[in-house]
Amino acid sequence: DAGVTQSPTHLIKTRGQQVTLRCSPKSGHDTVSWYQQALGQGPQFIFQYYEEEERQRGNFPDRFSGHQFPNYSSELNVNALLLGDSALYLCASSLGGGKVHNEQFFGPGTRLTVL
Amino acid sequence: GQQLNQSPQSMFIQEGEDVSMNCTSSSIFNTWLWYKQDPGEGPVLLIALYKAGELTSNGRLTAQFGITRKDSFLNISASIPSDVGIYFCAGQGSPGAGSYQLTFGKGTKLSVIP
Repeated sequence: DAGVTQSPTHLIKTRGQQVTLRCSPKSGHDTVSWYQQALGQGPQFIFQYYEEEERQRGNFPDRFSGHQFPNYSSELNVNALLLGDSALYLCASSLGGGKVHNEQFFGPGTRLTVL
Repeated sequence: GQQLNQSPQSMFIQEGEDVSMNCTSSSIFNTWLWYKQDPGEGPVLLIALYKAGELTSNGRLTAQFGITRKDSFLNISASIPSDVGIYFCAGQGSPGAGSYQLTFGKGTKLSVIP
């Protein structure tokens, strides 16, 4: 049973560039959430995708956007990269249809470095 | 962004000792979760708590959902070297009310001395 997978593992970009990160959810899951984890901090919620739509967004600027595909996989796009965008980007998958609980399972993350 | 108050920030313990860490929030949560993160990896779910007052165990780990719904604690009994890592608490509001995000603490870094 495949868990959450993310690609690439590491990425180095320069300021002003754009980046796309990819995530495939755990088998059977239909919801993908993205988190940013700065060094020494806990993960911060960026947004969640369910049924190919963004259904909740955290306190991140519009430079952060996403997409969910019919096979439930997802992309995170970040435009006009800043030095402060350097972080570990985590994808989490869950079952999204329930109204009570949706335990989120995390992938290994993509380490983004902005120079 | 908001982060929960998690303590202690770090702990150095002898192998075989018990460990206790806790997490508090100014907001009420419907679910509390505890994760462990190893270097270079994503967080791994250890325990999920769904009801105020609930006490749940997973092997040597025991966690409780505070009665006020604003706190939770995690205990690890008889620590072993592989318990080393960073432990995070996370709270979630009500999905039925449109709250799907997890709010995390800053983590407790656990070091075990053999």
